[in-house]
Amino acid sequence: QQQVKQSPQSLIVQKGGISIINCAYENTAFDYFPWYQQFPGKGPALLIAIRPDVSEKKEGRFTISFNKSAKQFSLHIMDSQPGDSATYFCAASSGTGGFKTIFGAGTRLFVKA
Amino acid sequence: ETGVTQTPRHLVMGMTNKKSLKCEQHLGHNAMYWYKQSAKKPLELMFVYNFKEQTENNSVPSRFSPECPNSSHLFLHLHTLQPEDSALYLCASSQDVPSGSRGEQFFGPGTRLTVL
Repeated sequence: QQQVKQSPQSLIVQKGGISIINCAYENTAFDYFPWYQQFPGKGPALLIAIRPDVSEKKEGRFTISFNKSAKQFSLHIMDSQPGDSATYFCAASSGTGGFKTIFGAGTRLFVKA
Repeated sequence: ETGVTQTPRHLVMGMTNKKSLKCEQHLGHNAMYWYKQSAKKPLELMFVYNFKEQTENNSVPSRFSPECPNSSHLFLHLHTLQPEDSALYLCASSQDVPSGSRGEQFFGPGTRLTVL
């Protein structure tokens, strides 16, 4: 019940295309859903996050879509660029669950020029 | 130095060695974390320190021993490790409040550990 399942494991997208990464969770107590981006040799960095009181959040080319009833959320990267090539992690946490964040397994994105 | 720093960046050790990983955060945060990152596996939370008190120990083997002397420094002491402990060890920090309100986690670059 504590798992966050992420798919696909890897993704290749043409420059200018849309990259879509999906995550699903079980624990309905989760109330914060961040996405982290990790480049080789670096630690993950927060990209965008959403709380379950909204169904969508957009920041530039990055959009989170959230479906509370299905317990699913996804990251859309519009107009994907080679510089977006990185590993993306979804995560979930609960304000009542202490300070524990559960991460998905990650998606390695490669954007072809 | 800014953000979260980790030393060393790379470490090779034998199974009988004792070594320590160091993490320092320059963000004024009150919570610090150790994670283990292995290939094709989710980030595994190992330890959480909040307000210098250990609040989480995720069934980590005793060959890993954390130490948090103050809110800016975090250590991970290693002894008699196994080859399967080879991984990237990430430190993170966040600013959280006692009610558990979520804070963004800021990660360091990690220490790449190889156990021979």
